[in-house]
Amino acid sequence: QALVVESGGGLVHPGGSLRLSCAASGFAFSDSYMAWVRQAPGKGLEWIAYMWAPTSGSRKYADSVQGRFTISRDDTKRSVYLQMNSLRDEDTAVYFCARRAGHCDRDACYYYMDIWGRGTTVTVSS
Amino acid sequence: SYVLTQPPSVSVGPGETASLSCGGDNIGSKPVHWYQQKPGQAPVLVIYSDGRRPSGIPERFSGSKSENTATLSISRVEAGDEADYYCQVWDRTTEHLVFGGGSKLTV
Repeated sequence: QALVVESGGGLVHPGGSLRLSCAASGFAFSDSYMAWVRQAPGKGLEWIAYMWAPTSGSRKYADSVQGRFTISRDDTKRSVYLQMNSLRDEDTAVYFCARRAGHCDRDACYYYMDIWGRGTTVTVSS
Repeated sequence: SYVLTQPPSVSVGPGETASLSCGGDNIGSKPVHWYQQKPGQAPVLVIYSDGRRPSGIPERFSGSKSENTATLSISRVEAGDEADYYCQVWDRTTEHLVFGGGSKLTV
């Protein structure tokens, strides 16, 4: 059974840092793009980052976190991480780890998230 | 950046067909994916690539698309279908994943 499990959430002061982890099992992790999606209280889903291979060129970030958050992975541990720096009140959210599946053909790219974790809660507050 | 627009809420009676829309500029050229999220739970992929169903998703769920609107249809709606539904695309220009604001389906 394919599974991802997030951990590392908690309470942090504005300006502080936090590192989230996501452990994967049951699928070909090293062949998979992995993503982070968050959901602020009472709000919708917001994609924030994804990556494939552990090279900087394969990483993409939403504008809202660019320069503050860093996604990384360790294929030997089947894990992906989200280092969050310079945290703000508006970063308060449930953070979900997900596998980005799909492919591209000549006409379009069919990218979606097919495996989701239950999320870990990050609260930024003084 | 690319924007997807969903109505905040949709209401239907049990047994009816729910149609949830997702609008975006030239969305007809982008594959659209749909997620269901119940309170306190993780999202679940219910439709991918416009109209394909993942394993385990009932046939009552279907997807369609026109030039500027994608639609998730749920036939014979049940109380258990009550949830938030999100559409999503991949923006080739920015290489970003984009979600719509979500629609709350009330049965």
